[in-house]
Amino acid sequence: DVKVTQSSRYLVKRTGEKVFLECVQDMDHENMFWYRQDPGLGLRLIYFSYDVKMKEKGDIPEGYSVSREKKERFSLILESASTNQTSMYLCASSSPGDRLNQPQHFGDGTRLSIL
Amino acid sequence: AQKITQTQPGMFVQEKEAVTLDCTYDTSDQSYGLFWYKQPSSGEMIFLIYQGSYDEQNATEGRYSLNFQKARKSANLVISASQLGDSAMYFCAMREAGINTGNQFYFGTGTSLTVIP
Repeated sequence: DVKVTQSSRYLVKRTGEKVFLECVQDMDHENMFWYRQDPGLGLRLIYFSYDVKMKEKGDIPEGYSVSREKKERFSLILESASTNQTSMYLCASSSPGDRLNQPQHFGDGTRLSIL
Repeated sequence: AQKITQTQPGMFVQEKEAVTLDCTYDTSDQSYGLFWYKQPSSGEMIFLIYQGSYDEQNATEGRYSLNFQKARKSANLVISASQLGDSAMYFCAMREAGINTGNQFYFGTGTSLTVIP
C-alpha cells in the first residue's frame, strides 16, 4: 500500500512565522502535490512537482513556496504566515500522467491554525 | 470553466437506502479518468472507484458503482445499502491523459453525505 506521511496532524503557529509542512511518500511516485482545503471550496492546488527540483504553480501559490530535494519528500513553506492561511493542508502523490487509471494517494492532512 | 462540478453541497439518506451523488465534468480530451474519493470527519482522503473514458462497463467496487454517461459528461456515484459509516464528504475528480497534462487532478467542491439511522 502507498503510504503518504505528513509530519503533523495539528499545528498552531503565530502570524509572521515561517512554517514548514513536510510530506514523505514511499511508493517512488514522480508526482507530488500540496492542496489546501476550506469548507465549500473543495481542494485547491497550491503547488505540484513532477520531478526532483521541479515545481509548478497551482491555482493559489501566493504566500507559499515548495521544495523537492529528494524524490520522496515534498515540503510546503509558508514564508510569513498569516491568519488567512489557517486551513487544512493535504499532501498527495501519484504516478506520471501516462498512467491514467492510477489515483492520487493522500496523507492524513495537517490542520494548521495561524494565530 | 470548472472542470468538475458537484451541485449537491449536502445530501441525506436513510440507512439501508441507495443514494446517488452527482458529478459532471468538462474536458475536450477523448482520454481521461474519473475518480471518487471519500473523506470522513477524521480528514483522510480514501480512493473509492475509478472509471476510464474508454471503459464500456460502468465501474463497480462493492457497494459503490459509477453511473457513467459519457455523452452527458456525468459520472455519478451510487452507494447502495447505505451504512452509518458512509457519512462523509465525497469528492469527484478527473485526470486528463498525457505525460504533462495528466499530472494534474481536478477536484469538485464535494458533497457532504449524512446517513440517518
